Amino acid sequence: DTGVSQDPRHKITKRGQNVTFRCDPISEHNRLYWYRQTLGQGPEFLTYFQNEAQLEKSRLLSDRFSAERPKGSFSTLEIQRTEQGDSAMYLCASSRGRDQYFGPGTRLLVL
Amino acid sequence: AQKITQTQPGMFVQEKEAVTLDCTYDTSDPSYGLFWYKQPSSGEMIFLIYQGSYDQQNATEGRYSLNFQKARKSANLVISASQLGDSAMYFCATLWAGGTSYGKLTFGQGTILTVHP
Repeated sequence: DTGVSQDPRHKITKRGQNVTFRCDPISEHNRLYWYRQTLGQGPEFLTYFQNEAQLEKSRLLSDRFSAERPKGSFSTLEIQRTEQGDSAMYLCASSRGRDQYFGPGTRLLVL
Repeated sequence: AQKITQTQPGMFVQEKEAVTLDCTYDTSDPSYGLFWYKQPSSGEMIFLIYQGSYDQQNATEGRYSLNFQKARKSANLVISASQLGDSAMYFCATLWAGGTSYGKLTFGQGTILTVHP
C-alpha cells in the first residue's frame, strides 16, 4: 500500500530562484490538497484539486505560486522568485472521501 | 470562519499514564468534522481519530479517544497508557462540510507532548 509521496524532501535555494515541488497522491484518490506549515504553527491550506480541476485557492497563494494537477494524477507546486518568507514545510494530502492522508512534506529553506 | 484553538503549547506525561490534550473550536455551521493528527519530528501528519458533529457517541481508536462536548465546542483528545513513541506534536483540525470549502482542513496551533520514562 503506497502512501502519498513528495519530492524533494528538502530544498535549499537562494532568494529569487524558482522552485518546483511534486506530490504523488494515493492512486485511487481524486482529491489533492496543498498546505504550508511554518515553524511552530499548524498547517495552513493553500489549494485544493478535485481530479484535474483546481477548485479553491487560499489568499496565501500569491501570484508567485502556481499549482497544477495535469490528468488528475500527480501535482506540482511552483514558487517563482522565492522570498525568505517562503521558507516552510509544504505538505501534500490526498483523499477519496473524508480522511486526508498526508505525505512527508518538502522542507524549503530560502537563503 | 472556522477557528480552532489549542491552548496548551506543551504537555508532559509519565509513561503509562493518561493525558488529555485540549481543543476548542468556533463554528456556526451545524455540520462539521473534527480530527486529531500526530506529527512526529519526521514531519509527516498521521491521522489519529475523527468525530462528526452529529455523532452521538465519542469516537475511540485504540488508545485514543475523543471527549466531544458539543455545547462547549470542545473536542479533547485523550491518550491512555502513554508510550515513549507518543512524544510528538498533536494538532486538532476541523473540516467544514459545506459550500465550496469541502475538504479544507483548518488546524490549531498544536500541542507538543513529551512522554517521560
